[in-house]
Amino acid sequence: SAVISQKPSRDICQRGTSLTIQCQVDSQVTMMFWYRQQPGQSLTLIATANQGSEATYESGFVIDKFPISRPNLTFSTLTVSNMSPEDSSIYLCSVEEPAGGSGNTIYFGEGSWLTVV
Amino acid sequence: DQQVKQNSPSLSVQEGRISILNCDYTNSMFDYFLWYKKYPAEGPTFLISISSIKDKNEDGRFTVFLNKSAKHLSLHIVPSQPGDSAVYFCAARQDTGGTSYGKLTFGQGTILTVHP
Repeated sequence: SAVISQKPSRDICQRGTSLTIQCQVDSQVTMMFWYRQQPGQSLTLIATANQGSEATYESGFVIDKFPISRPNLTFSTLTVSNMSPEDSSIYLCSVEEPAGGSGNTIYFGEGSWLTVV
Repeated sequence: DQQVKQNSPSLSVQEGRISILNCDYTNSMFDYFLWYKKYPAEGPTFLISISSIKDKNEDGRFTVFLNKSAKHLSLHIVPSQPGDSAVYFCAARQDTGGTSYGKLTFGQGTILTVHP
């Protein structure tokens, strides 16, 4: 499977500031996905990032709050803008890879654990 | 609308015994199901998956069963080991093509504790 690296692994952020999370993959992938896991909750998809096009956001997530870049096939960034304590979450980068058989598989990075104070 | 449900928040099992984790779904358009294991503050680790055209998939100690008519799947871990203690997430995918391919809907997770 692809090796997915995220930076930072964790950070404590001040309310009202913005933070950019980086995701680096060791192979070229067409689609990258950004998920969020709030404390005690399940994982929720924020957006899908394709290289060379605008990211596609899920219901409840907007570009102004979570701008995404996808400059090439191995890298993406997610910015969490104007942070509030409700943004305290683990943010996860994921990629899709062929798993053989009848489907692809989604692999995840280690996550970026943000705490907003 | 919770399309993927894991109704058991936690499960406790003795080492060496079988662990059975359950997952129900409501969306009949889901065509691919995955199980992930997750430790706190880490990313999920892929365990095993199953296509909707199959009813069983096995990989070492892990077996996933799919009952499409009941919209139910389960993950069996045999034998259970203390290192299996983690949160287990069931996830489902609906292949609608384009950018939706690979979008996963997750259950709430089940905390598995395997006692020595």
